[in-house]
Amino acid sequence: AQTVTQSQPEMSVQEAETVTLSCTYDTSESDYYLFWYKQPPSRQMILVIRQEAYKQQNATENRFSVNFQKAAKSFSLKISDSQLGDAAMYFCAYRSAQEYGNKLVFGAGTILRVKS
Amino acid sequence: DTGVSQNPRHKITKRGQNVTFRCDPISEHNRLYWYRQTLGQGPEFLTYFQNEAQLEKSRLLSDRFSAERPKGSFSTLEIQRTEQGDSAMYLCASSLGFNRGGTEAFFGQGTRLTVV
Repeated sequence: AQTVTQSQPEMSVQEAETVTLSCTYDTSESDYYLFWYKQPPSRQMILVIRQEAYKQQNATENRFSVNFQKAAKSFSLKISDSQLGDAAMYFCAYRSAQEYGNKLVFGAGTILRVKS
Repeated sequence: DTGVSQNPRHKITKRGQNVTFRCDPISEHNRLYWYRQTLGQGPEFLTYFQNEAQLEKSRLLSDRFSAERPKGSFSTLEIQRTEQGDSAMYLCASSLGFNRGGTEAFFGQGTRLTVV
């Protein structure tokens, strides 16, 4: 079974600064997807960024980028120019690429606080 | 269509009572998922449907839990004889199938269940 580990329960960043959230995962599969989801307080979870395991190039979405190290099974999220609206719980998630194995496996989450 | 809709948003029930939650997925999405999230933790997979077929159930889904998706549209999750340990946020998500290019799951705002 796949597992996802987020070792940072909480992180803080100054507005306009850069922060990196860590995630490691364990799998025996070679083809899969990795995601970072953001869950603001009392609001629904939204996708921040996704990475296909077969792609070597790291995904980027505006101020959000990932450092995907497949051999090390590491998938960190970098948030540049942090904004107050980035404050939320961030979840790293794994999803198999198999046709019927596509449930998301989540880490425990990292609370990100943004200081003004 | 504005996204995944869940009702009710909040439910308080007495121990031993039955409760039912509803999820309306994004209309063209053929896959629907239920997750449970306890405070400070990541969501845990409960079950998923492809159209009206329930294809996978987690060991977390005891025989007090039942989910249906008649006609492959909305889904209901019923918990019978509720226990205090059932108190959690119940999240619904939907996605396209892989053969239709779907990798992203869209989440609803969840139903928060409190068993007293």
